[in-house]
Amino acid sequence: DTGVSQNPRHKITKRGQNVTFRCDPISEHNRLYWYRQTLGQGPEFLTYFQNEAQLEKSRLLSDRFSAERPKGSFSTLEIQRTEQGDSAMYLCASSFRGGEKLFFGSGTQLSVL
Amino acid sequence: GQQVMQIPQYQHVQEGEDFTTYCNSSTTLSNIQWYKQRPGGHPVFLIQLVKSGEVKKQKRLTFQFGEAKKNSSLHITATQTTDVGTYFCAGRGTSYDKVIFGPGTSLSVIP
Repeated sequence: DTGVSQNPRHKITKRGQNVTFRCDPISEHNRLYWYRQTLGQGPEFLTYFQNEAQLEKSRLLSDRFSAERPKGSFSTLEIQRTEQGDSAMYLCASSFRGGEKLFFGSGTQLSVL
Repeated sequence: GQQVMQIPQYQHVQEGEDFTTYCNSSTTLSNIQWYKQRPGGHPVFLIQLVKSGEVKKQKRLTFQFGEAKKNSSLHITATQTTDVGTYFCAGRGTSYDKVIFGPGTSLSVIP
């Protein structure tokens, strides 16, 4: 059990640029979640997958955000035309199946200048 | 949509004092989970409660799930400096639903 891995750990970008983050869940975990967390706040739900199927995307999420999980293994989260308000920690979590505990990665800290 | 609230937002206690954080959901939950996040770290799972009125203990930590399955609490007896961090409750509307986190309660322990 190697844990949930996220890359990169930090990303600094200029406003208007596109960024992509990667998450490698724990092997055999079929659920994968993306959250966003800002300082002093709880993890905010963005989207989640059951294997390769995206089950739900937060209604608060703009069309600039897209996530994929091809082949039901790793996942990518892309943010297009980044804005300063996108600056946050982006957390990925996985679980063996629905209803079970989440294992979080260390996150990707995004700073938009 | 489902909302999860927690109070208090912050709590400062003297080492050895007790601590309680309360969690409330706008909708009935199928289960509730508690996580702890240390400063600079990521959330780490503590426990899951499923049954109405369920009470579970982990050493000095006591977790409770309300009868109506809309609220929960975490109580820490005789806090230690190692208890410092933010405690989040997280709930699901159905067993296979997404997990919604509360805003957390940040605990500081003064030695």
